[in-house]
Amino acid sequence: QVQLVQSGAEVKKPGASVKVSCKASGYTFISYGIHWVRQAPGQRLEWMGWIGAANGNTRYSQKFQGTVTITRDTSASTAYMELSSLRSEDTAVYYCARGPGYWGQGTLVTVSS
Amino acid sequence: DIVMTQTPLSLSVTPGQPASISCKSSQSLLHSDGKTYLYWYLQKPGQPPQLLIYEVSNRFSGVPDRFSGSGSGTDFTLKISRVEAEDVGVYYCMQTIQPFTFGPGTKVDIK
Repeated sequence: QVQLVQSGAEVKKPGASVKVSCKASGYTFISYGIHWVRQAPGQRLEWMGWIGAANGNTRYSQKFQGTVTITRDTSASTAYMELSSLRSEDTAVYYCARGPGYWGQGTLVTVSS
Repeated sequence: DIVMTQTPLSLSVTPGQPASISCKSSQSLLHSDGKTYLYWYLQKPGQPPQLLIYEVSNRFSGVPDRFSGSGSGTDFTLKISRVEAEDVGVYYCMQTIQPFTFGPGTKVDIK
């Protein structure tokens, strides 16, 4: 069955970067793109961007343009989301998703001095 | 960006009774390909959102038939015919026309 397994929780200081991984299994990785969505405390879900697993093409939300980089390693069936210049407002649970139906378990990123 | 709104924002339901949630979008979600890209999710505490309904009215794999979706253009509705205890959580609508945006969520609990 389709599974997306994300890396573990992270604690970062303001100004640092964080890189979250999302390992896919149960399907042909290059057949589907991967989305990244975040959920800050008390906030609605927020789409950050997408990568086409076959060709590596990316699309980013305007809000995150310049601070988020999504990449993938097809040999490892893994997608990555790197967020730079972290601020306290970036404290959130970050999810990867394959299409609308399959989501990772979420990765809590806490930004605190 | 397309703005999604939901009403009500909270709902308390007696088990066995129906429930309904409305979702409105600031622009039509009808794509030029003829499909309408509106989705419904349920998020339980500590879990990722789970897809209930895709493209307005199609139940995702394994979703009980007490869940149904309807609507068109900018107005959509999720109905639960008979609420069960396991249906508690926050319900979100989402559009994927451009870019993806979510509603604020409707918190459903049991009376």
